[in-house]
Amino acid sequence: GAVVSQHPSWVICKSGTSVKIECRSLDFQATTMFWYRQFPKQSLMLMATSNEGSKATYEQGVEKDKFLINHASLTLSTLTVTSAHPEDSSFYICSAMVGTNYGYTFGSGTRLTVV
Amino acid sequence: GEDVEQSLFLSVREGDSSVINCTYTDSSSTYLYWYKQEPGAGLQLLTYIFSNMDMKQDQRLTVLLNKKDKHLSLRIADTQTGDSAIYFCAESTGGFKTIFGAGTRLFVKA
Repeated sequence: GAVVSQHPSWVICKSGTSVKIECRSLDFQATTMFWYRQFPKQSLMLMATSNEGSKATYEQGVEKDKFLINHASLTLSTLTVTSAHPEDSSFYICSAMVGTNYGYTFGSGTRLTVV
Repeated sequence: GEDVEQSLFLSVREGDSSVINCTYTDSSSTYLYWYKQEPGAGLQLLTYIFSNMDMKQDQRLTVLLNKKDKHLSLRIADTQTGDSAIYFCAESTGGFKTIFGAGTRLFVKA
């Protein structure tokens, strides 16, 4: 079935540095991908919708200059957390729309810890 | 490994009840969720249940949990056309990681 590969699965970085998270669709083309953030014991929060070849649509309250999303090809979307701070520590997960009738598939998530 | 499975499609008539089923494998799951996704939108949390509960009711939604069989269900009473969406089952052990099912697409016929 359709698989979304997300890397890295975990990352520790220093405050002030930037971290890039990749989300790749394997064996299918993903024109739309979603990026979510999750805090412990809370539900997922949609951060942005990423469309191939166009600018991402960010949800209210999400800083687009801090969370840069690039969807340059039909199989790859990236989320870059710029100038990371400890409050950015969280679990980030992407999902991709599989065609128009096959539902959605999720990446395995990335646990980001900023120290 | 950890896995969450659910059927891909369900079709019901308007006014009937819908029951969406889900099975999971991680016996250490502490939270189980139902999310709804409407076309073109992100996930919306519908309801959740702790693993020490058997049932939770919230207006038209009833969640049943059989921990022994690792089976979770979502019942929507008096299903309306606006309920047409994809429903995701998810399980979590309370930390960061949440495992999602592939989603059940609910069609409601008028």
